Amino acid sequence: AQSVTQLDSHVSVSEGTPVLLRCNYSSSYSPSLFWYVQHPNKGLQLLLKYTSAATLVKGINGFEAEFKKSETSFHLTKPSAHMSDAAEYFCVVSGPYTGGFKTIFGAGTRLFVKA
Amino acid sequence: EAGVAQSPRYKIIEKRQSVAFWCNPISGHATLYWYQQILGQGPKLLIQFQNNGVVDDSQLPKDRFSAERLKGVDSTLKIQPAKLEDSAVYLCASSFRDRGSPYTEAFFGQGTRLTVV
Repeated sequence: AQSVTQLDSHVSVSEGTPVLLRCNYSSSYSPSLFWYVQHPNKGLQLLLKYTSAATLVKGINGFEAEFKKSETSFHLTKPSAHMSDAAEYFCVVSGPYTGGFKTIFGAGTRLFVKA
Repeated sequence: EAGVAQSPRYKIIEKRQSVAFWCNPISGHATLYWYQQILGQGPKLLIQFQNNGVVDDSQLPKDRFSAERLKGVDSTLKIQPAKLEDSAVYLCASSFRDRGSPYTEAFFGQGTRLTVV
């Protein structure tokens, strides 16, 4: 069975300060993990993905995430927030499932960036 | 490359009416997904196709929802009859199953915002 939990429904930071969006997962197998971003009235865009290669994954727009198997976590970070980072962020786990594979979205974390 | 195309972008219907959504995935993508995203929630997978076969439809309310992908390319999702709680954004996504990498990311369309009144 697989599940994903985003620990914060809302995160608020000031522009120029670090961003941390937390994600824990549960999977019976080695999963693939993704972070997507959704800007208002826009489609979902892939930020980065982990697929059992390097545990520190760099994505677009300065975001990165570290896969920690011992903590079953895949937290998303960015050293310095920009106003344009304000959006909804989804952590996603994908792994084997009877007959194929299954992809599950977290509930999302809304990031607010203050000027 | 062209992205995932969905239509219509917006739809307003009365409860008990029928509605259909269309999706054209990225060329060459074997896997197609339909997600339902209710306001304030993460997307929930309704159905997943691999070519024209169904891989997972465990969360599809089959008494009112149906989906098909007859030629393994584009797909339609239908709701009949609609209920107020079906108001949501319906997202279509596709992915390319790369044999060298078991799980590849999904590319999403802009979605169809359905309002049932």
